[in-house]
Parts: sequence; structure tokens; C-alpha cells
Amino acid sequence: QVQLKESGPGLVQPSETLSLTCTVSGFSLTSYSVSWVRQPSGKGPEWMGRMWYDGDTAYNSALKSRLSISRDTSKNQVFLKMNSLQTDDTGTYYCTRDHLDTEAAFDYWGQGVMVTVSS
Amino acid sequence: DIQMTQSPASLSASLEEIVTITCQASQDIGNYLSWYQQKPGKSPQLLIHSATSLADGVPSRFSGSRSGTQYSLKINRLQVEDTGIYYCLQHYSAPDTFGAGTKLELK
Repeated sequence: QVQLKESGPGLVQPSETLSLTCTVSGFSLTSYSVSWVRQPSGKGPEWMGRMWYDGDTAYNSALKSRLSISRDTSKNQVFLKMNSLQTDDTGTYYCTRDHLDTEAAFDYWGQGVMVTVSS
Repeated sequence: DIQMTQSPASLSASLEEIVTITCQASQDIGNYLSWYQQKPGKSPQLLIHSATSLADGVPSRFSGSRSGTQYSLKINRLQVEDTGIYYCLQHYSAPDTFGAGTKLELK
């Protein structure tokens, strides 16, 4: 069945770089796009960016200067790197399977990984 | 960026009541709209895709509708398990943008 799982450090120092991995199963990264979504505690979700099925990327302009998304299709993994972290980057980070062609939705979500930015 | 104005911010309703949540898009987004339910400590779960289509496994008391740039999520006969926070999300153009959320509680 379709599964996504985020992994990465729970604690990051201010000004440092966050590196997260989304490992997927049950579908191919060359058939579906994957997005990263983050959610500060007690607030709504924010779309960060997308790895398209064809290898192209799209970023939220608010984060574009700090954000990079890449993938390794042989390992079924999508990566997020975001630099210059600040305390307001604290929150839960999710990866999602994007089913945009026929369903216009994020049909599967990972369980999320909590990231705290603190010294 | 496309703005999604969601209302109400919070809602208290009784069991079996009909509940409606709306999202107003700042421009035409066609049917590129989905709805999600989020429980505390959990990931959002897809309820409605393509504005009006029920996602697999979602109870039929949930439905979505569209009138121009206004989108609605309706819950018929509210159940205990329907409490949570509901979000709309547009996928028409990047950045994909969420509504601010509606917190639904039982009265």
C-alpha cells in the first residue's frame, strides 16, 4: 500500500541547515509528485515545495531562497534541505503524495516529523 | 499568490446537525480544490478532491460543492468522530495555498 515516511533530526540549531528525507513505498516517484508541507504548532499547514514526477521542482516563493528539494528514484526518496533556520521554522514537516492530474489533492500524507529550532 | 478565505474559524454544532464550511478563492481555481480533516497529533486526511468528489473510504455524509469561486464542505448528520480541524487547499497554481482552518467541536 502507499506509504510515506519522513525522517530527520528533531533538533536543529538556529542558522543551521535542516535536512529531511521522505521515503515512499507503494508508488513510483516517476509517476507521482511529492510535496513538502510544514505546520507550526497550533497553526495551519503551509506548502513548501514540490518534486514533480518528471524531476522538475516548484517552490513557495516565501522559502525559495532557502529551500532545495531533490530525489533519488532508485531509493524511492525525496529530500528537503532548508538553510538559515530560525525559531519560526519550528513545526511538523510532512511529505505528501500529490495526485494532481485526476484528483487535485494530496491523497496520502506521511506521519510527519517534528523539528525544533533551538540552541 | 491565490488567497483562500475560510469561514467560520470555529464552529460548535450538535450531533446529527448539518454543518457547512466555506472557502472563498481570490481568483478562479476551477475544481482544483480539496478538503482535509485533521485530528490532534495526526496528519491531515483527504476528504474531498476535485472540489466535489468524495475520497475513497470517506463517509457519504461528507460532500463538497462549488459556486463560482466559493467552495463548501457539508457534513450531514454530524457524528462524534467528525470533530477536528478542517482545511481547504487550492492546487490551481503554485504556491498551493491552504485556508486558515475551521475548528469543529461538538456542542
